[in-house]
This record gives sequence, C-alpha cells and structure tokens, in this order.
Amino acid sequence: GAVVSQHPSWVICKSGTSVKIECRSLDFQATTMFWYRQFPKQSLMLMATSNEGSKATYEQGVEKDKFLINHASLTLSTLTVTSAHPEDSSFYICSAFPLALSSVNEQFFGPGTRLTVL
Amino acid sequence: SQQGEEDPQALSIQEGENATMNCSYKTSINNLQWYRQNSGRGLVHLILIRSNEREKHSGRLRVTLDTSKKSSSLLITASRAADTASYFCATDEGGRGGSEKLVFGKGTKLTVNP
Repeated sequence: GAVVSQHPSWVICKSGTSVKIECRSLDFQATTMFWYRQFPKQSLMLMATSNEGSKATYEQGVEKDKFLINHASLTLSTLTVTSAHPEDSSFYICSAFPLALSSVNEQFFGPGTRLTVL
Repeated sequence: SQQGEEDPQALSIQEGENATMNCSYKTSINNLQWYRQNSGRGLVHLILIRSNEREKHSGRLRVTLDTSKKSSSLLITASRAADTASYFCATDEGGRGGSEKLVFGKGTKLTVNP
C-alpha cells in the first residue's frame, strides 16, 4: 500500500511553454501533499505544501504565479510550471501524507518527474 | 531553512563492509527519518525514529538518535552492491508533529564496490 505516482515521468519542452505534473496517491487519501525540487547532485528542496480544498503554501523564494498548484481532490495534486525556462529544468518530486496516518509524520514519495526545458 | 547535514558527503566501501552515515540538525524535532534514493529515482523511506527513541533496527539498518547532540547515524551492515545510492536524513521542521513539512539534508552518496 501507500503508493504515489507521478505523471509524466519525464518531459522535454520548449522555453516559454507550460508543463503540468500530476501527483496521485493510488491507494490512500491525502489531505496534504508536498512538492519538492531537486537539482543534480543536490538535496530535495521543498517548494510548496499542497492542501486539499485550499490554497497552497509556498516556501520563501518560490514564485506562486510560476508554480501553480492545484489540490483538487484527496488523491490528486498538480504542479504547473508556467512559462518554463531552462533554469526550471530539474527533478520534481511529490510526496503525500496519508490521512489515516496523521499521527505519524511518514510521507510517501512519488518516483519524480524529470523536466528539461530547451 | 536547511537542516539535516549529512556526513560524509560521499562514501566508497567494499561489499561486506559496514557503512556509517551521520546527520546533524539544528532545531527541535518530533522524529527523524532516513531515505534512500537511487540515481534519478524517487525516495524510498527506510526508517523513522522518534525523538524519544535512541536506537532502532530494521534488517541490516541501525539508526541512532542523540537529541542532546542533535545528531543521528545510519549504519548499514554487511553492505551489498545494491545498497549503492544516496541517503538522506529528514527532520520535521517545527517539531509540532502531524503533517509537518520535511527538511532534507544534503545527503551521502554511498558506493559499494563488488
């Protein structure tokens, strides 16, 4: 159980286009999902906290108008990179926090999406 | 904020040897977790240790936590080539428990040579 999927697993796009990445919890409900970005050979940096039915909370330095997050249901959160530029090329990883395990801070991570902006 | 600093940054050992990675953090926590990441892949949760625990085992993994020193260690015994990966510690920032965001360290890249 506790499987999180991401789609697509990789995407190549032209500069200026928008890219949507989906994060789904397949066998559990998640009121909270997190979006991370990881540059090569670096650690994961939290971008934003996605809460079902409310606005996302963005970390300092992350542009909310550039990285649009929509948490439309208890099993789906989407991250849209708007007007992508080469510097947005990165590995984007989501995690989901199971509603049923709210007493334990164990998150389940998706496999990641490799974004390359040309 | 960035907390959870692992050392060493890179570790290369022979199969069968033990690998020890350390992690330090700065603020109070409810728990600390260790994750593994194969190159270009997502994270796999290895073990969670609560702030009131000092040691925890899971198979060939042994994790210790010293809250007085704000540090943790991950020991992998009898390493295998398949253990080659990057290992990250993560703490729950804020220490309030619940669905807190995780703060990851920089990671240790472990290479186990056959």
